[in-house]
Amino acid sequence: DSGVTQTPKHLITATGQRVTLRCSPRSGDLSVYWYQQSLDQGLQFLIQYYNGEERAKGNILERFSAQQFPDLHSELNLSSLELGDSALYFCASSVVPGGGNEQFFGPGTRLTVL
Amino acid sequence: AQKVTQAQTEISVVEKEDVTLDCVYETRDTTYYLFWYKQPPSGELVFLIRRNSFDEQNEISGRYSWNFQKSTSSFNFTITASQVVDSAVYFCALSEAGAAGNKLTFGGGTRVLVKP
Repeated sequence: DSGVTQTPKHLITATGQRVTLRCSPRSGDLSVYWYQQSLDQGLQFLIQYYNGEERAKGNILERFSAQQFPDLHSELNLSSLELGDSALYFCASSVVPGGGNEQFFGPGTRLTVL
Repeated sequence: AQKVTQAQTEISVVEKEDVTLDCVYETRDTTYYLFWYKQPPSGELVFLIRRNSFDEQNEISGRYSWNFQKSTSSFNFTITASQVVDSAVYFCALSEAGAAGNKLTFGGGTRVLVKP
């Protein structure tokens, strides 16, 4: 158990809908990352937050947004869902940003868009 | 831009055989970090090892060992005396020190199947 929690574990929804994925980092970790794992694209970095502020952005679609709250939990919002958004979404956390700090991953949220 | 390539998509071995996973990376940074993660069938990503670009000493940790060679931009990972529980997808990843944040760039993964 990495100490990172993600809810829900599974999510099934329809095209055009909006969903929110939630992540709680390990105790003491200030940085949160979101990754998407799909068959087409593999594991891709989406976005990173550090202590409530956006730190880095990757291949995140404009239909997707995220935030980190004062209690350090983070939410990833996906809107106008398309079939291609079906994927496993991981949240990871690290103590602080820094290339040498290992990121600990949550169990993931499997999103299925029908 | 950083890139990680794992040329082996799948490796099948019999228990107790050694397994070596290849990883080749590209980066313009002089300081960077390399990682191996394991994704068992249950789906979670488990951190295994980390290496700094300025430390090429190869190490062994239990049944895991790694061979980091900057001259060939390779970071290979070996599981000695494989066990059925080692069956998983293994990802090599790179993080650059100079980039804003420290996103991980992953390779495509190598599926390891250990047969009893």
